[in-house]
Amino acid sequence: GAVVSQHPSWVICKSGTSVKIECRSLDFQATTMFWYRQFPKQSLMLMATSNEGSKATYEQGVEKDKFLINHASLTLSTLTVTSAHPEDSSFYICSARDRSGENTQYFGPGTRLTVL
Amino acid sequence: AQSVTQPDIHITVSEGASLELRCNYSYGATPYLFWYVQSPGQGLQLLLKYFSGDTLVQGIKGFEAEFKRSQSSFNLRKPSVHWSDAAEYFCAVGAPGTGFQKLVFGTGTRLLVSP
Repeated sequence: GAVVSQHPSWVICKSGTSVKIECRSLDFQATTMFWYRQFPKQSLMLMATSNEGSKATYEQGVEKDKFLINHASLTLSTLTVTSAHPEDSSFYICSARDRSGENTQYFGPGTRLTVL
Repeated sequence: AQSVTQPDIHITVSEGASLELRCNYSYGATPYLFWYVQSPGQGLQLLLKYFSGDTLVQGIKGFEAEFKRSQSSFNLRKPSVHWSDAAEYFCAVGAPGTGFQKLVFGTGTRLLVSP
């Protein structure tokens, strides 16, 4: 149980284009999902917290207009990197918190974004 | 400042030997504590967690961790390491001020297993 998927697993795009990443909880309902960014050989940094049916809460220093988050259902959250630039290249990982209230986050396999 | 510290960037252990990965936290209240493992290019897998109760926690893959309040530590242990345990290990805390929802990660410890 507690499986989280991400799609795509990797994506290469041209500078200036937008990229959408999906995060799905496959066997549980997630009222809260989280988006992290991980640079090579570094730890995970929380970008934003996404609550179903409401606006995402962004961490300090994260541009909300650049990283658009939508959490339209209890099993799906999306992260759209708008007007991507090479410095946005990174490993993006989502996690989902079970609706049952247990304070445990289950992580997706990550999406490798490369912006040329 | 509130933080999570993993003092060892790399650790090399012989296959079959015991392992201990260190984690210290700096929070006023006891946070929720987690250990995750990440294989290259993959997401994170939860090994174990501590919320309250018994301070010795058993996890998956033969791992255990002990919460020591006096030392603000939550060290991960395994009595006999297998080559498949080679990965990056992250200690994380659910910050008390956020209802334990937000996870703050340590910098990670890369485990290498030698034959």
